[in-house]
Amino acid sequence: DAGVTQSPTHLIKTRGQQVTLRCSPKSGHDTVSWYQQALGQGPQFIFQYYEEEERQRGNFPDRFSGHQFPNYSSELNVNALLLGDSALYLCASSLGGGREFFGPGTRLTVL
Amino acid sequence: GIQVEQSPPDLILQEGANSTLRCNFSDSVNNLQWFHQNPWGQLINLFYIPSGTKQNGRLSATTVATERYSLLYISSSQTTDSGVYFCAVFMEYGNKLVFGAGTILRVKS
Repeated sequence: DAGVTQSPTHLIKTRGQQVTLRCSPKSGHDTVSWYQQALGQGPQFIFQYYEEEERQRGNFPDRFSGHQFPNYSSELNVNALLLGDSALYLCASSLGGGREFFGPGTRLTVL
Repeated sequence: GIQVEQSPPDLILQEGANSTLRCNFSDSVNNLQWFHQNPWGQLINLFYIPSGTKQNGRLSATTVATERYSLLYISSSQTTDSGVYFCAVFMEYGNKLVFGAGTILRVKS
C-alpha cells in the first residue's frame, strides 16, 4: 500500500519565478491538503482539495493556487516567489474525516 | 481561531528515561493527532486520538476532550525517539488540521 508521495524532494528557485509541486495521495484517499512549514514552526494549512475543487483555504495569498486531478493527485503552484516562501511544503491525504497522512515533503529554497 | 499550545518546547532526556508531552487546545475539536517529525521532515502518524487512551509499544496517549488537553507518554526513551513532536487538532468547520508549535526532544545515549 503506497503512502503519500511528493515530488520533487528539493527545489531551488529565484525570486519572481513560479514553482509547481506535486502530490499523489495514499491509495483509497480522495482528499488532499497542503501545508507550509517554515523553519522552527509547525505546519500551516494552505488549502484542501476534494472532488477537484478547493474546499477550504487558509490565510495564504492568491499567489498560492492548486489543482486536483480526477485520479485525486494534486499540484500546488506558487507564483512570483518571495524569499519568505522558502519552506518545507507538505501534502496530506485523507478520506475527509480529519485523519491525515503526510508525504515526505518538498523543500523549497528561494534565492 | 483555535489555539494549540504544546509544552515543554524543548526536552533533553537520558536514554531510558520517561517523559510526558502536553497539548492544550482552546476550543472543542473533532479529533486530535500526534505526529513525530524525523530529521528529514517526514511527519509520522503516532496516534489518532479524539478521546480516551491508546498505547503503541513504548508510546501511549491520552486525550481528555472535555478538559481540552492531550498527553503523549514516552517510556524507556531511545535515541531514535529524538525529533519534533507535534500535536494537531482537526476543526470540522475548517476542514483542516491546526498544529501546535511542537516539542523538540533530544535523547542522549
